[in-house]
Amino acid sequence: QTVVTQEPSFSVSPGGTVTLTCGLSSGSVSTSYYPTWYQQTPGQAPRTLMYSTNTRSSGVPDRFSGSILGNKAALTITGAQADDESDYYCGLHMGSGISVFGGGTKLTVL
Amino acid sequence: EVQLVQSGAEVKKPGESLKISCKGSGYSFTNYWIGWVRQMPGKGLEWMGIIYPGDSDTRYSPSFQGQVTISADKSISTAYLQWSSLKASDTAMYYCARRVGGYSFDYWGQGTLVTVSS
Repeated sequence: QTVVTQEPSFSVSPGGTVTLTCGLSSGSVSTSYYPTWYQQTPGQAPRTLMYSTNTRSSGVPDRFSGSILGNKAALTITGAQADDESDYYCGLHMGSGISVFGGGTKLTVL
Repeated sequence: EVQLVQSGAEVKKPGESLKISCKGSGYSFTNYWIGWVRQMPGKGLEWMGIIYPGDSDTRYSPSFQGQVTISADKSISTAYLQWSSLKASDTAMYYCARRVGGYSFDYWGQGTLVTVSS
């Protein structure tokens, strides 16, 4: 079974730029997987940040951007702020209406 | 305003059955897929399955096929997630979410905490 891979953790300085990635244990991520990015803070339901690779959800600031980098989907945060400290999950569509989440990346802003 | 409101927390014993709910409002319930997501304590999100309330077409992640049943009652705009025999390992927060184009979820319920303990 294909596994969706993410960095377990990442650290960024306030005002800095960080790129989180979402890959496959076998194969390359393309736009055909409709990469989606979700943000979750402790005790809260997830929030959708980005869908279809690079479309921001309503209300998401433009310092969040999505792309395909090499063989992975990527979420870039430019000008990181303290309240960006969260868990970030990617989701990929695997066909037949079924999706899979990655294991998540815990982002620390310090 | 689109809202998904889930039923309250549950405490059950192993072997018991359970059905939790997710009521949609503020949109045409029959025209959007509803999905269920598990989050075990301290762990990540797991995509369980989805249902299209318009015709009850249901898709399951292979990891959850046969373990849970997803259903919907379009007359009351409510989707359900049920277990016939709970295990301690079913202890988790369960979220429902509306799926839109691009196979993403846009609106999420507040979550239902299910605790299974003897």
